[in-house]
Amino acid sequence: TGVTQSPTHLIKTRGQQVTLSCSPISGHRSVSWYQQTPGQGLQFLFEYFSETQRNKGNFPGRFSGRQFSNSRSEMNVSTLELGDSALYLCASSSTDHTDTQYFGPGTRLTVL
Amino acid sequence: AQKVTQAQTEISVVEKEDVTLDCVYETRDTTYYLFWYKQPPSGELVFLIRRNSFDEQNEISGRYSWNFQKSTSSFNFTITASQVVDSAVYFCALEQGGSEKLVFGKGTKLTVNP
Repeated sequence: TGVTQSPTHLIKTRGQQVTLSCSPISGHRSVSWYQQTPGQGLQFLFEYFSETQRNKGNFPGRFSGRQFSNSRSEMNVSTLELGDSALYLCASSSTDHTDTQYFGPGTRLTVL
Repeated sequence: AQKVTQAQTEISVVEKEDVTLDCVYETRDTTYYLFWYKQPPSGELVFLIRRNSFDEQNEISGRYSWNFQKSTSSFNFTITASQVVDSAVYFCALEQGGSEKLVFGKGTKLTVNP
């Protein structure tokens, strides 16, 4: 099976927080998160490997994530703003740094 | 800093036409990887092709082919005999060797009309 994400869609109001979930391809230990908006396009949020954040994009501290021992990952956005409305994509790759990232279907977050 | 530029915002072709999507990248790294992904209306990014900076050999895979030229920092992608199902947004992406961080272009929306 491929990368799975939940939920598919989510509607929140400003000030709330949200948690998104990602399950990588079996055997993949690296999970990356991306935000896609019409204005900014696809932007890298962070990457986790073996429960450790290895790389981080240029996003405020309201965006955080974690990875569990089974490689599943969650990302959290606190104090939601209207501008956080986006498609959040998760990708997984194997332990090898040269491997390709495979993406999930995404979670579409709408902030009202 | 790394940067990927896809100058073509939208392309419209008629089925069976060949279409080339342009991609120009900027990086100071000597080891890097280049990718093409496809995003149909469903939203999921689908991996198409990948090339590393040490391999400029151009290949053909079915209806897909690519032209990687380090001298011009270009990584163009061609679809031969386009089909309606090829309609999607195509993204070119660059990854610094070992970083797991993809830098994407803005995408090219391809519409293939019957």
